[in-house]
Amino acid sequence: DTGVSQDPRHKITKRGQNVTFRCDPISEHNRLYWYRQTLGQGPEFLTYFQNEAQLEKSRLLSDRFSAERPKGSFSTLEIQRTEQGDSAMYLCASTLGSSGGFEQFFGPGTRLTVL
Amino acid sequence: AQSVTQLGSHVSVSEGALVLLRCNYSSSVPPYLFWYVQYPNQGLQLLLKYTSAATLVKGINGFEAEFKKSETSFHLTKPSAHMSDAAEYFCAVSSNSGGSNYKLTFGKGTLLTVNP
Repeated sequence: DTGVSQDPRHKITKRGQNVTFRCDPISEHNRLYWYRQTLGQGPEFLTYFQNEAQLEKSRLLSDRFSAERPKGSFSTLEIQRTEQGDSAMYLCASTLGSSGGFEQFFGPGTRLTVL
Repeated sequence: AQSVTQLGSHVSVSEGALVLLRCNYSSSVPPYLFWYVQYPNQGLQLLLKYTSAATLVKGINGFEAEFKKSETSFHLTKPSAHMSDAAEYFCAVSSNSGGSNYKLTFGKGTLLTVNP
């Protein structure tokens, strides 16, 4: 068990550029979540995958955001035409559980800074 | 909709003193409740969770929390603070809306400072 990994850890980009983040969950974890955390706030839910199916998207996820989880393994989160308001920590979490009582294991996050 | 309120965005204690971090939740169904800790520039680590078994839950690093349904609370305590406890703490409730997604709804967090 190597834990949840995320790449890159830090990303600085200019407004209007596209960025893509990767999350590698714990192997065999079928559920994967993306959260966004801004300064001084708790993480907020963005989207959820069960295996390769994206089953829910938050209203926070505008049309500029897209997420995929091909083959139910790693996941990518892409932000197109970045805006300064997109600056945040993007966290990925995974779990094997079939109920809400199972722990979600979090990665270290990708910190995005949009200049 | 489920929600979490953490009273006090910043708590400061002396080393060896009692730590009390407050969390109140709102849920229309029996909740699953969690406390996570976040050290600077790191992800979240689970301290403990309540899943409708014992109301007094013990976690890692000497922390515990008590689920009180009548008060809709899940406060986190530790008898004696250590310098290494300085971090940000998040209370979260598991949601089950529109299908079994079990996403977490977090409070805004409480930054714990431990003074020598």
